[in-house]
Amino acid sequence: NAGVTQTPKFQVLKTGQSMTLQCAQDMNHEYMSWYRQDPGMGLRLIHYSVGAGITDQGEVPNGYNVSRSTTEDFPLRLLSAAPSQTSVYFCASSVLASGGIQETQYFGPGTRLLVL
Amino acid sequence: AQTVTQSQPEMSVQEAETVTLSCTYDTSENNYYLFWYKQPPSRQMILVIRQEAYKQQNATENRFSVNFQKAAKSFSLKISDSQLGDTAMYFCAFHSGYALNFGKGTSLLVTP
Repeated sequence: NAGVTQTPKFQVLKTGQSMTLQCAQDMNHEYMSWYRQDPGMGLRLIHYSVGAGITDQGEVPNGYNVSRSTTEDFPLRLLSAAPSQTSVYFCASSVLASGGIQETQYFGPGTRLLVL
Repeated sequence: AQTVTQSQPEMSVQEAETVTLSCTYDTSENNYYLFWYKQPPSRQMILVIRQEAYKQQNATENRFSVNFQKAAKSFSLKISDSQLGDTAMYFCAFHSGYALNFGKGTSLLVTP
């Protein structure tokens, strides 16, 4: 299994440009999520999904869109990039145990995004 | 709000010694999981250890063990026989439901 994969590894954008960060997992996990990591901060949840067709907002959703058309893929879209979105982005996935509680989250290698 | 606090931004330990990283959390839930993740310079998030809140026995994984005090909402990580490869950021995380809440991390340096 490849686990959780993310592309690209590094991207430079100009303010106002749009782009999609790709995330895929081959573990048949129901739950997928996107986090951002800024210096001096832990990871903060942007959006998450508990299955195909179901998404919801996390702690810092503004400026980002997501969709989940398949179990495997969970892309993150920046519609109009801003310098405040310069960060490292992590995708993660996990099994949903009984009661809807997540089990261990497995993380992708991260995408480093620089917005000029 | 559910929060996770790591009160030690930086720590250092000599090789082969033991070090304990602190973590406290706040929640009104009764059933949840707690985690310690390691982030080396490669930035990959690596699971170190996991604790289920309904289990009273503290989790252990080789040189890593936790001291879980549910009533005190405390979840510390003990690293025994520290190795140079343990140098990394360590994040405490907790969730119940759909959000994984992270602390701000402890930077651990293992010195020869």
